[in-house]
Amino acid sequence: QKEVEQDPGPLSVPEGAIVSLNCTYSNSAFQYFMWYRQYSRKGPELLMYTYSSGNKEDGRFTAQVDKSSKYISLFIRDSQPSDSATYLCAMSAGAGNNRKLIWGLGTSLAVNP
Amino acid sequence: GAVVSQHPSWVICKSGTSVKIECRSLDFQATTMFWYRQFPKQSLMLMATSNEGSKATYEQGVEKDKFLINHASLTLSTLTVTSAHPEDSSFYICSAKDPRARTGELFFGEGSRLTVL
Repeated sequence: QKEVEQDPGPLSVPEGAIVSLNCTYSNSAFQYFMWYRQYSRKGPELLMYTYSSGNKEDGRFTAQVDKSSKYISLFIRDSQPSDSATYLCAMSAGAGNNRKLIWGLGTSLAVNP
Repeated sequence: GAVVSQHPSWVICKSGTSVKIECRSLDFQATTMFWYRQFPKQSLMLMATSNEGSKATYEQGVEKDKFLINHASLTLSTLTVTSAHPEDSSFYICSAKDPRARTGELFFGEGSRLTVL
């Protein structure tokens, strides 16, 4: 079993839809949870960052962490064609410069105008 | 946010040649940089952790003699793919940890697409 599971999709939605992206994980030591967005042929960019459990909102994006279920989500409201990208979840345990991020496979999202 | 620059963004080379990719942190000093490899429609695969002034730490299965990493300064790490072969063709991405950033937060370069003929 992989440490982090993420459905690769692809996911195709109409413009304006609410998008739900998810990852599950098996390591209960994970405390730091991130969502990165990667456009085609570009490096990933950090979208959302959450420490421990709870919700975090930033504009049209909401990140949720449920540590009891080992499940994290990213919601995109009023999705736009410019949101079309691959969304990768990443997480790590503890602190420290060399603490490795464990990555999901990434979910490919297409928002159709 | 912090800026990481990677060069070249794409390179085509003949089999058997060596290719060097540079990763620079432009507005911060990065004691640690990471090199990833990404195949089409796949996630990032960590190749090695580059530490300034010391030897890189390679992940299991990554040949250190083939993928040479040098982190000679606090703003520059280089990855050299030696004696490249077509199976080395991939998207190579570096990332760096800004000491001012939150735990786990990384800043990525734009990536370098290597095609070996």
